[in-house]
Amino acid sequence: DAGVIQSPRHEVTEMGQEVTLRCKPISGHNSLFWYRQTMMRGLELLIYFNNNVPIDDSGMPEDRFSAKMPNASFSTLKIQPSEPRDSAVYFCASSPTSGRLGTGELFFGEGSRLTVL
Amino acid sequence: DQQVKQNSPSLSVQEGRISILNCDYTNSMFDYFLWYKKYPAEGPTFLISISSIKDKNEDGRFTVFLNKSAKHLSLHIVPSQPGDSAVYFCAASASYGGATNKLIFGTGTLLAVQP
Repeated sequence: DAGVIQSPRHEVTEMGQEVTLRCKPISGHNSLFWYRQTMMRGLELLIYFNNNVPIDDSGMPEDRFSAKMPNASFSTLKIQPSEPRDSAVYFCASSPTSGRLGTGELFFGEGSRLTVL
Repeated sequence: DQQVKQNSPSLSVQEGRISILNCDYTNSMFDYFLWYKKYPAEGPTFLISISSIKDKNEDGRFTVFLNKSAKHLSLHIVPSQPGDSAVYFCAASASYGGATNKLIFGTGTLLAVQP
């Protein structure tokens, strides 16, 4: 089975440019999460969706960040305009359950490494 | 405010010895805890979990201990193997308010197992 697929794997851009990160969750999973990994803060939850609906976006750092999930098989995380402090690895994860029905296990993609110069 | 804390950024142990990774949390509403393992250039993968109704869960070489009164959990790896060298993340979730699989992660501990 295909896991969570993220693209691009690496992105280098200049400050002020728009960045779009993409995610395809595992088929049948109804929860999707965007995390950001930095040395200082570890894995930070940015936003998560249940059944394509944003549930909690309290982790989104600023209005420059936005996320969408137009259907069950695709999500985007957009940064506009990007800044050097946005440089990090961004992970998408999906889960087969919402609510306390399963183990709570998340399945992560390989991440998108973003560098903003 | 970091609700899940891993105060040791790194740990080095000899092959065959025990590795003990520690994690503290501040939110008393957390009732489910997980450990994830991450290799370079890969996403984190689930390792082991424990519910707050238990104080120990074992899976092969991996055992997680939970001390609710101290808001502390630990991961024991016995015996440690070079392939265990990775970053280990502690995570927690709470089932209040309709429940979700929202996980709050710590900053991670880099484990190096020396041959």
